[in-house]
Amino acid sequence: QTVVTQEPSFSVSPGGTVTLTCGLSSGSVSTSYYPSWYQQTPGQAPRTLIYSTNTRSSGVPDRFSGSILGNKAALTITGAQADDESDYYCVLYMGSGWVFGGGTKLTVL
Amino acid sequence: QVQLQESGPGLVKPSQTLSLTCTVSGGSISSGGYYWSWIRQHPGKGLEWIGYIYYSGSTYYNPSLKSRVTISVDTSKNQFSLKLSSVTAADTAVYYCARDGPSSSTVWGKGTTVTVSS
Repeated sequence: QTVVTQEPSFSVSPGGTVTLTCGLSSGSVSTSYYPSWYQQTPGQAPRTLIYSTNTRSSGVPDRFSGSILGNKAALTITGAQADDESDYYCVLYMGSGWVFGGGTKLTVL
Repeated sequence: QVQLQESGPGLVKPSQTLSLTCTVSGGSISSGGYYWSWIRQHPGKGLEWIGYIYYSGSTYYNPSLKSRVTISVDTSKNQFSLKLSSVTAADTAVYYCARDGPSSSTVWGKGTTVTVSS
């Protein structure tokens, strides 16, 4: 059973930069997994930030960026703002389905 | 732009079948190129992919749910549906429908809460 790993929680200061990662319990994440990133606030549906590793979804500010760092997918938020405080989920495409990471709760303080 | 809306009963009895429909507007399921997915989120927990269907009818399911899940498509109504059989309290969740694909941005429905209780 493939497990997608994310940091359970992270904190960043307003204006700071934070990188969240998305890994595999076994193996490396590559662009072939088409990693996507979603942002979710309580009571709301997820919002797509990044798809296909590094493509920003329409309307997403350019302070959100996606990449592959080492053996993981990464979401970097540059110039963090208070309303970036949310849950962030990555998902990887396994060829015949998707597997979500457990999510990272980001605190901005 | 494409929009998705889930509909169905908010309360289902244990051992019964959960049935939800997703109505797509602003785009055609038949146009191809996308997967039409169901995803759920248990209270206070993360997202879980349930499965998806292609407009042709090809389906792929989460192995952990495969024995209980059926996803179907009605291109004439521009809808796709989820059936989850033999539900228990563990199936209580917010259920989302979505349009996605490996190289496309996921478009989410607003979600619908389903409670399994007698």
